[in-house]
Amino acid sequence: EVQLVESGGGLVQPGGSLRLSCAASGFTVSSNYMSWVRQAPGKGLEWVSVIYSGVSISYADSVKGRFTISRDISKNTLYLQMNSLRAEDTAVYYCARDQADNSNYALLRILWGQGTLVTVSS
Amino acid sequence: QIVLTQSPSASASLGASVKLTCTLSSGHSSYAIAWHQQQPEKGPRYLMKVNSDGSHSKGDGIPDRFSGSSSGAERYLTISSLQSEDEADYYCQTWGTGMVFGGGTKLTVL
Repeated sequence: EVQLVESGGGLVQPGGSLRLSCAASGFTVSSNYMSWVRQAPGKGLEWVSVIYSGVSISYADSVKGRFTISRDISKNTLYLQMNSLRAEDTAVYYCARDQADNSNYALLRILWGQGTLVTVSS
Repeated sequence: QIVLTQSPSASASLGASVKLTCTLSSGHSSYAIAWHQQQPEKGPRYLMKVNSDGSHSKGDGIPDRFSGSSSGAERYLTISSLQSEDEADYYCQTWGTGMVFGGGTKLTVL
């Protein structure tokens, strides 16, 4: 079955760190656009980061310098290392895959995970 | 940077049809977009891709009641024979330097 399963969310104090995982099955993370998207309580969807192709990586300005996206091909898993967490990082974090064509263009065929909640609070 | 604009809310009666709009910012009228549905207390669900020529391709298991179309810089999601479970937030999305989302439209089924 093709699916994404996130884990690693929880309660963390401001300034703390957390690592989210997204286990993929039915496809390989290395050949797709793999993103993290978050949704703060009562708000819309906000893109956080993407990794695709060889080592192409982008971040939203709101997390640049604090968050690091990576993947482990042997485990077929995507990660998001979150450091220096702030209250405004509180959100449900979703993993998302977009397929790529032979020219490595994103195809807008999105697969979503179920999400994991991160709460930053003292 | 590309911007997607959606009306914050829409409403329609049970059994009727509704057309939601996503507008691409100036200079980006050739972009394809994706539509996603988010029912209350659930994660997003991919509905379809809509191309600039109006063609669309739906995700697995998406009912025929859902269709997409285009006109200029506008991309549409039409839902016919509205059901109560269609009451949800609908987001359009495309790619810029990362995933770009519209603000979402909250659809109320009366």
